Amino acid sequence: GESVGLHLPTLSVQEGDNSIINCAYSNSASDYFIWYKQESGKGPQFIIDIRSNMDKRQGQRVTVLLNKTVKHLSLQIAATQPGDSAVYFCAENKGGSYIPTFGRGTSLIVHP
Amino acid sequence: DAGVIQSPRHEVTEMGQEVTLRCKPISGHDYLFWYRQTMMRGLELLIYFNNNVPIDDSGMPEDRFSAKMPNASFSTLKIQPSEPRDSAVYFCASRDTNGQGGYGYTFGSGTRLTVV
Repeated sequence: GESVGLHLPTLSVQEGDNSIINCAYSNSASDYFIWYKQESGKGPQFIIDIRSNMDKRQGQRVTVLLNKTVKHLSLQIAATQPGDSAVYFCAENKGGSYIPTFGRGTSLIVHP
Repeated sequence: DAGVIQSPRHEVTEMGQEVTLRCKPISGHDYLFWYRQTMMRGLELLIYFNNNVPIDDSGMPEDRFSAKMPNASFSTLKIQPSEPRDSAVYFCASRDTNGQGGYGYTFGSGTRLTVV
C-alpha cells in the first residue's frame, strides 16, 4: 500500500481570529494565481484569484496578497469561522496554458 | 446545475483487478481534467481533454492508466491492472473556456480508490 505520507502544514486558530495562509510559488514567469478551498470529502473549490499586475485583491472576508519579488502568495481570512476549516491550496499558472500547478496545501483548523 | 458528477464515490478493489472511474462534466464545459490526489504528491494532473479530444496525457503514470471521452457528457479513467500504489482520490474537473475566476474550473467530489 501507500507509504506513510507527509503531513500537511497546519494552522490552528480560534473562531473570530484572522487567519493568514502562506504559499511560495516556484515559477517566476507565472502570471496568474488562484486560491482553492477543499473541504473534507469534496473537491477543491475556487476562492479568489489575482493576476501578476496586482499585489492585492479583496473578496468577501478574504484577501490575497502577492509579492513577486520573493515569489510569495498569502491568503488572509478575516473573522475566521468553523466553516472555514479546510485545506487551502494555492495554484500558479503561466499565461496561456490555463492549466494551473497546485501547491501542497495547508490545513486550517478553526476552534469554536 | 448538479455540478461535476463522479462515480463511484468509493471503490475498494483487489490488486490486479480492473478499475473504471466515471465522470460527467458540467453541460457546456469544453475542457475535462482528471487529477489524482495523494498526501505524498498532492494534486497531480493526469490528462485533460478539449472538446472530447485528449490534449495532454503526459501526467498518466504508466500504460496501466487510460482515459476516454466518447462524448461531451461522459469520461472514464481506467486502471488495468490496479496496484496498491494507485490508491488515491481521483478528481474529475471541467472547465468553461469563458468561465470567470480560477479559469472556470469546477471539481467533482472525487472517487476514493483503495487497492488492497
